[in-house]
Amino acid sequence: DSGVTQTPKHLITATGQRVTLRCSPRSGDLSVYWYQQSLDQGLQFLIQYYNGEERAKGNILERFSAQQFPDLHSELNLSSLELGDSALYFCASSQGQGKNEQYFGPGTRLTVT
Amino acid sequence: AQTVTQSQPEMSVQEAETVTLSCTYDTSESDYYLFWYKQPPSRQMILVIRQEAYKQQNATENRFSVNFQKAAKSFSLKISDSQLGDAAMYFCAYRRVLGGANNLFFGTGTRLTVIP
Repeated sequence: DSGVTQTPKHLITATGQRVTLRCSPRSGDLSVYWYQQSLDQGLQFLIQYYNGEERAKGNILERFSAQQFPDLHSELNLSSLELGDSALYFCASSQGQGKNEQYFGPGTRLTVT
Repeated sequence: AQTVTQSQPEMSVQEAETVTLSCTYDTSESDYYLFWYKQPPSRQMILVIRQEAYKQQNATENRFSVNFQKAAKSFSLKISDSQLGDAAMYFCAYRRVLGGANNLFFGTGTRLTVIP
């Protein structure tokens, strides 16, 4: 158990819908990262937050957005869902921005039908 | 941009034997981190081992060790005395140290099968 929690574990929804994935980092960790794992794209970085502020963006679609709240939990919002958005979405956390390992949550499996 | 290449999509090893998984990367930076992550069928991403580029000594964690060749930009993982529980996808990952984003860049993974 990494100490990072993600809810829900599984999510099945239809095209065009909007969903919210939630992540609680390890106690004391200020950075949260979101990654997407799909069959065709592999593991890709989406976005990073540090202490409530966006720090870096990767290959995140405009239909996707995220935020980190004062209690440091983070939410990833996916809208206008397409079949190709079906993937495993991971959240990872680390203490700071520099020399710390990233610990991954169990992931949320999103299926768009 | 940083790229990480794992040229072995699949590998197999006999139980109790040793196997080496390969990884190469491309970067113009002199200081960075390299990692190996394990993803078993449960899909959980588990950190196996980490190497800091400025350290010449190869990292070791129990049965797992790395061969880090900075000049060649090579970072291989050796698993000794393989166990059935080692069967998983293994991902090599790179992370920069200085400035900007410090997200992980992943390779495409190597699926390791352990044969009893």
